[in-house]
Amino acid sequence: AQTVTQSQPEMSVQEAETVTLSCTYDTSENNYYLFWYKQPPSRQMILVIRQEAYKQQNATENRFSVNFQKAAKSFSLKISDSQLGDTAMYFCAFMKPPSGTYKYIFGTGTRLKVLA
Amino acid sequence: DTGVSQDPRHKITKRGQNVTFRCDPISEHNRLYWYRQTLGQGPEFLTYFQNEAQLEKSRLLSDRFSAERPKGSFSTLEIQRTEQGDSAMYLCASSLAKPGDSNQPQHFGDGTRLSIL
Repeated sequence: AQTVTQSQPEMSVQEAETVTLSCTYDTSENNYYLFWYKQPPSRQMILVIRQEAYKQQNATENRFSVNFQKAAKSFSLKISDSQLGDTAMYFCAFMKPPSGTYKYIFGTGTRLKVLA
Repeated sequence: DTGVSQDPRHKITKRGQNVTFRCDPISEHNRLYWYRQTLGQGPEFLTYFQNEAQLEKSRLLSDRFSAERPKGSFSTLEIQRTEQGDSAMYLCASSLAKPGDSNQPQHFGDGTRLSIL
């Protein structure tokens, strides 16, 4: 069974600085998808960025980028120029396309606080 | 795109009572998911529908839980004879299945927070 591990329960970063959140996963699959979701306090989860395992190029979305190391089964999220609005829980998620379902397997999350 | 809507936002009930939650997915989305999130944890998968068909249920979904999506649009999740351990946030998500593209991301609702007294 696949598992997702986020080893940093909490992190903080100064506004305008860069922070990296770590995520490792365990799977025997070769083709899968990885996601980072953001969950602000008392608000819904929002997709931050996604990566297809067959793509070697790391995904980027504005200030957000990933470092995808397939052999090491590592999928870290880098947030550049951190903003106060980035304060949230960040969840890493794994999805293996079918057979079967498209369910996500989530890590336990990293609580990020951006300091003014 | 009005997003995924869940109702109610909060539900407080006594142990042993039945509760029902509703999820309205994004209108064109044919896939619908239910997850449960407890404090300090990531969401855990409960069940999945493609259109009106329930295609997978997690072992977390005991026989006190039932989910339906009668016309392939909104879905309901019912918990019978609630227990203290059912206290959690129940999240609904939806996505669009496109031929040849299984990577359509899931869009989440605000969740229903259930508290069992």
